[in-house]
Amino acid sequence: GAGVSQSPSNKVTEKGKDVELRCDPISGHTALYWYRQRLGQGLEFLIYFQGNSAPDKSGLPSDRFSAERTGESVSTLTIQRTQQEDSAVYLCASSLRAGGPDEQFFGPGTRLTVL
Amino acid sequence: DQQVKQNSPSLSVQEGRISILNCDYTNSMFDYFLWYKKYPAEGPTFLISISSIKDKNEDGRFTVFLNKSAKHLSLHIVPSQPGDSAVYFCAASGGTSYGKLTFGQGTILTVHP
Repeated sequence: GAGVSQSPSNKVTEKGKDVELRCDPISGHTALYWYRQRLGQGLEFLIYFQGNSAPDKSGLPSDRFSAERTGESVSTLTIQRTQQEDSAVYLCASSLRAGGPDEQFFGPGTRLTVL
Repeated sequence: DQQVKQNSPSLSVQEGRISILNCDYTNSMFDYFLWYKKYPAEGPTFLISISSIKDKNEDGRFTVFLNKSAKHLSLHIVPSQPGDSAVYFCAASGGTSYGKLTFGQGTILTVHP
């Protein structure tokens, strides 16, 4: 497909378990972003990648959160020892480049529920 | 610290009339602003943007106005259509980190037939 894809679309997990969320950006987009949207709130920036490097990780809530990107393509967001407050929709976006005012294209998100 | 604020959680408008969605920001380093539209269970989709060197940008039924002195922007939709019913987010970027969009909380727009 031509758009940003994310998997899984839904994930239900038990408190304390680790989860991995995947994002496939639009082909050719060098910049990739992760955001989180809690219920009733706006989107909250987590981290972005330019190529495989992450110049800005300032939004990661704690050291339980990590992300990587390989081959300037797919990215994985990992949450270790999940907590109930991690429940949210996790959105991935990509753009042609970072460092400039480019439109970000969003995927459909992964809804994470921590019981 | 909410740097981008949408103070109206919801807006209800009759089909054919104008919808005006408002957004305020506090960070003077922001110089690029975007509006996104979001339907349930979908990711946000880009609507329109404006650079701080402009005060108006128009695209079809959508116009964004920027008042830099007031740190305020608004999205006008004319005429409103039922298919415009969605959550609208304003977002801002600039300064040292264009890679990061700062979003408002969103406004739920309902357009009644």
